[in-house]
Amino acid sequence: AQSVTQLGSHVSVSEGALVLLRCNYSSSVPPYLFWYVQYPNQGLQLLLKYTSAATLVKGINGFEAEFKKSETSFHLTKPSAHMSDAAEYFCAVSRNFGNEKLTFGTGTRLTIIP
Amino acid sequence: GAVVSQHPSWVICKSGTSVKIECRSLDFQATTMFWYRQFPKQSLMLMATSNEGSKATYEQGVEKDKFLINHASLTLSTLTVTSAHPEDSSFYICSANGGLYTGELFFGEGSRLTVL
Repeated sequence: AQSVTQLGSHVSVSEGALVLLRCNYSSSVPPYLFWYVQYPNQGLQLLLKYTSAATLVKGINGFEAEFKKSETSFHLTKPSAHMSDAAEYFCAVSRNFGNEKLTFGTGTRLTIIP
Repeated sequence: GAVVSQHPSWVICKSGTSVKIECRSLDFQATTMFWYRQFPKQSLMLMATSNEGSKATYEQGVEKDKFLINHASLTLSTLTVTSAHPEDSSFYICSANGGLYTGELFFGEGSRLTVL
């Protein structure tokens, strides 16, 4: 079975500061990992995905994530937070590329302090 | 990217009535659609997977007769909440992939159901 754990249900950072959202995965096979963002009362938007091509993945809106097998982690970062980054972020895992049945983490709510 | 649209965005209904939520892929043929349920401040829970022209595959614990899913065409899947009760109030989100977009999921905007 696969699972992801997001550490910290709420994260607050000052505008301009580094954003770090943590995600650890558990998988019996090489995982495919995703980060999604959800704004209030909206669906999910894909930020980035890891499909084994490169360990450092760059996404939209200045976000990136690094796949670290030794740490079973896929943390999401952004060098400088913007007010518009305030949202809910979900890490997700699937077994293989093409099998899009995703298992989501519990989510992290990011608050940006002016 | 591809666009997935849900309708309605908001729906309020009386207890005991049925509600239908539509999920459409606007610019691609969705061979597979997924329905998720999201409780307030919680994650998304997969309810079922539907493939065009075949019966939906429900996740464990999801009542098939309660949540009827139909995927009659490559661009439309519907979720019908039958005999709705207040505990069915939730945010329902669909996602789809297929055609040129196989390997990537696209999510609808979600539908908030409130049962009085």
